[in-house]
Amino acid sequence: EDQVTQSPEALRLQEGESSSLNCSYTVSGLRGLFWYRQDPGKGPEFLFTLYSAGEEKEKERLKATLTKKESFLHITAPKPEDSATYLCAVQASNDYKLSFGAGTTVTVRA
Amino acid sequence: GAGVSQSPRYKVAKRGQDVALRCDPISGHVSLFWYQQALGQGPEFLTYFQNEAQLDKSGLPSDRFFAERPEGSVSTLKIQRTQQEDSAVYLCASSLWRQETQYFGPGTRLLVL
Repeated sequence: EDQVTQSPEALRLQEGESSSLNCSYTVSGLRGLFWYRQDPGKGPEFLFTLYSAGEEKEKERLKATLTKKESFLHITAPKPEDSATYLCAVQASNDYKLSFGAGTTVTVRA
Repeated sequence: GAGVSQSPRYKVAKRGQDVALRCDPISGHVSLFWYQQALGQGPEFLTYFQNEAQLDKSGLPSDRFFAERPEGSVSTLKIQRTQQEDSAVYLCASSLWRQETQYFGPGTRLLVL
């Protein structure tokens, strides 16, 4: 069974204070690892897909990286509008459904 | 273009009542998924449609849950005889094909009293 563990559960940052979120996973053959952002009362919003170890993707202040066992989401010089819950999910190579972690709730104070 | 839409956004039901939740996927998306999200948790898979065919319903928690997509577009998730443990956010997602990126709707927040 696919498993995804995210840490920390919550992260409080000062504006401009860079940090990283961790997503550890076990899956029987990884097809893709997905990062989503979820604001309160809304559905998950797609950010990135990573397919193989060593791959990196960037979007504004966010950068996602992937190894064979984990993924990191780096937030560089965050702003209050980066406050959200960040969800990590894996999709196995022989499957279509996403298996999600519980998320990391990031709060950025001005 | 338009994203995935869901209705209603909020639903309050009395225990034992039947409810129906609607999902309008992105136009042209073949694959449609339903997920259930409990408070403070990540979404959990319920069921998967490819066009009008329900290919996987392994995540449906009981036989009180039923989903359909009769014309391969709009989908309805029905919960019969609702129980308090059914209270959650129900998310619909669609993708171009089965392993492509899934785009989520805003969800329906169901509260069973």
